[in-house]
Amino acid sequence: AQKVTQAQTEISVVEKEDVTLDCVYETRDTTYYLFWYKQPPSGELVFLIRRNSFDEQNEISGRYSWNFQKSTSSFNFTITASQVVDSAVYFCALSEVYNQGGKLIFGQGTELSVKP
Amino acid sequence: DGGITQSPKYLFRKEGQNVTLSCEQNLNHDAMYWYRQDPGQGLRLIYYSQIVNDFQKGDIAEGYSVSREKKESFPLTVTSAQKNPTAFYLCASSASQGLGTGELFFGEGSRLTVL
Repeated sequence: AQKVTQAQTEISVVEKEDVTLDCVYETRDTTYYLFWYKQPPSGELVFLIRRNSFDEQNEISGRYSWNFQKSTSSFNFTITASQVVDSAVYFCALSEVYNQGGKLIFGQGTELSVKP
Repeated sequence: DGGITQSPKYLFRKEGQNVTLSCEQNLNHDAMYWYRQDPGQGLRLIYYSQIVNDFQKGDIAEGYSVSREKKESFPLTVTSAQKNPTAFYLCASSASQGLGTGELFFGEGSRLTVL
C-alpha cells in the first residue's frame, strides 16, 4: 500500500539556520511522482516541486534543495539560511502514475517555525 | 486572475444540519478534488472528479456527497451522517487526468466547526 511518513511533527529553528525536513514513502509501483507543498498560515497549499521516480538528481532552487534517494525511499527537503517567511506547514506527497484520478497521498506534515 | 475559490471561509453549523461548501475554478482543469485536513493527520481525500458528471469516492467519503454538473464547479455537502465534521476542507484541481503527473492547485480552504 502507498504511504508517506513525515516523522518530524514540529521543527523550530532560528533564522539563518539550515533545516532539513524528512520524507519517507512506500509504494509498490516503479513509476511514481513525489511532491512537496507549503501551507502558510493563510491555508492554501503552494506547490514547491515535483520529481518523478526515474530522476534521482538532486535539485536546487534558490535556498531550497531536495535530495531524492530511491535506495532509502526518501525525498528530503532542505532550506538553507532559513527566514521567518519560511514558517509554514510542509507536506510531502506521493502520486502513483497508474492510480485512478491523479490523487495525491499526503504525509502528516511538518510544522516549521523560524524565529528571528 | 486564474485560481480556485472556496466559500465560505468559515462556517458554523449545528449538529444534524447539512452544509454545502462551494468550490469554483477558472483554470479550465478537468480534475477536481476535495481533501479534509485534521491536525496531525495530513490531508485525506474525500471525493474526486475527473470529468463533468462523474466522480469517485476517496478514502473517507462516508457522510459526504458531491456533484459535478459543470466543469468549473465541485461543491461538497457535509451531511448529518458525518460523525466528526469539524475540520479544514481543501478543494483542488489539476490539469492532468488519471496519470498522477500533474500538480494540484489548491483553494484557501473552508473551516467548518460543528457546535
